[in-house]
Amino acid sequence: NAGVTQTPKFQVLKTGQSMTLQCAQDMNHEYMSWYRQDPGMGLRLIHYSVGAGITDQGEVPNGYNVSRSTTEDFPLRLLSAAPSQTSVYFCASRMTGLLSGNTIYFGEGSWLTVV
Amino acid sequence: KNEVEQSPQNLTAQEGEFITINCSYSVGISALHWLQQHPGGGIVSLFMLSSGKKKHGRLIATINIQEKHSSLHITASHPRDSAVYICAVRSYNTDKLIFGTGTRLQVFP
Repeated sequence: NAGVTQTPKFQVLKTGQSMTLQCAQDMNHEYMSWYRQDPGMGLRLIHYSVGAGITDQGEVPNGYNVSRSTTEDFPLRLLSAAPSQTSVYFCASRMTGLLSGNTIYFGEGSWLTVV
Repeated sequence: KNEVEQSPQNLTAQEGEFITINCSYSVGISALHWLQQHPGGGIVSLFMLSSGKKKHGRLIATINIQEKHSSLHITASHPRDSAVYICAVRSYNTDKLIFGTGTRLQVFP
């Protein structure tokens, strides 16, 4: 049981390049989400999914795309990287109900720098 | 005003001291999470609360739903407790998590 696996851990991109952050979980969680963490701010929701084939925008979705073709995987795509997307990115997963006592599980984080 | 406010923002303690970190929120919630983040590291869930009190080892978390307030206590603090502690609430209306900005704790030997 690996939990939430997120790659890469570090990445440097040039402005305009595209890339994909990978996220996979092996806990059969319906709910998966991507957050960005910036200094002095709480984690902000980029995109989320409540199950395979279903995605929706969060608080700061511009410049990012997601897809959820399987329950396990939830990749985040940066379409054309900008310096404003320099941040630490976290993938997270949990069950959708409350009664399951659904702890939230986070990946290890991806440190992204756009130059 | 942020929907989730934590205090203090920074906290320094000597080993062995009793630590309290506070979280106040202004939205209706279905649950509250306390999270721990070590420098350069990932985020780990410590507690999920919807009422009352939970204890795990030296950590105690309480929540008062009427007052919209939660506290995280660390008894007999240790340098390995040094981390950022984050409060997050699960909005009753949107089912999304709203995060506080975190409390940076440093415990010195």
